[in-house]
Amino acid sequence: QEKVQQSPESLIVPEGAMSSLNCTFSNSASQSIWWYQQHPGKGPEALISIFSNGNKKEGRLTVYLNRASLHVSLHIRDSQPSDSAVYLCAVSPSSNTNKVVFGTGTRLQVLP
Amino acid sequence: EAAVTQSPRSKVAVTGGKVTLSCHQTNNHDYMYWYRQDTGHGLRLIHYSYVADSTEKGDIPDGYKASRPSQENFSLILELASLSQTAVYFCASRNRVGQAPLFGEGTRLSVL
Repeated sequence: QEKVQQSPESLIVPEGAMSSLNCTFSNSASQSIWWYQQHPGKGPEALISIFSNGNKKEGRLTVYLNRASLHVSLHIRDSQPSDSAVYLCAVSPSSNTNKVVFGTGTRLQVLP
Repeated sequence: EAAVTQSPRSKVAVTGGKVTLSCHQTNNHDYMYWYRQDTGHGLRLIHYSYVADSTEKGDIPDGYKASRPSQENFSLILELASLSQTAVYFCASRNRVGQAPLFGEGTRLSVL
């Protein structure tokens, strides 16, 4: 069974700082990997995806994937108070690509 | 615009009672999912389906049944609700493997 773990559980940064979130998964052959953002009382929304080793940049977001170390990270440049939310890492296991497995989440708080 | 609609948005149920949570999508998506969210556990997969009239067990199926009578509709059924099933439940859909699931706004269930 695919395991997805996220760290830290909680992160507090000042406005304008870089926020760095981590996610580890249990199978290097895992297929699609996504990061989601979830505001209180709302459903998760997909932010960015990555499939191949390396990095991907979209606006203030950068994702790094290293399959050999089973690690993916999300970096938010110039963090804003509106970025305060729970961030979820999601993985589609290679053993069953019909499933999508989520991590426990990182709660990000950006202080003005 | 693609959307996933859940009903009801909140529900209070009695222990031992039957609860049905409904999910509807008009996105023409084949895949539908039910997750529960608890503090400290992230999103855990209960049941999913990739074709009408067929459902699959997720990672925590015990105590839950699912029904997919049509491509658009996916229900989660708690035959004998228990206190431990108090949680927020999310439905999601996607068109194909490799696409990020699209989530509904969630149903907050309290079992008393």
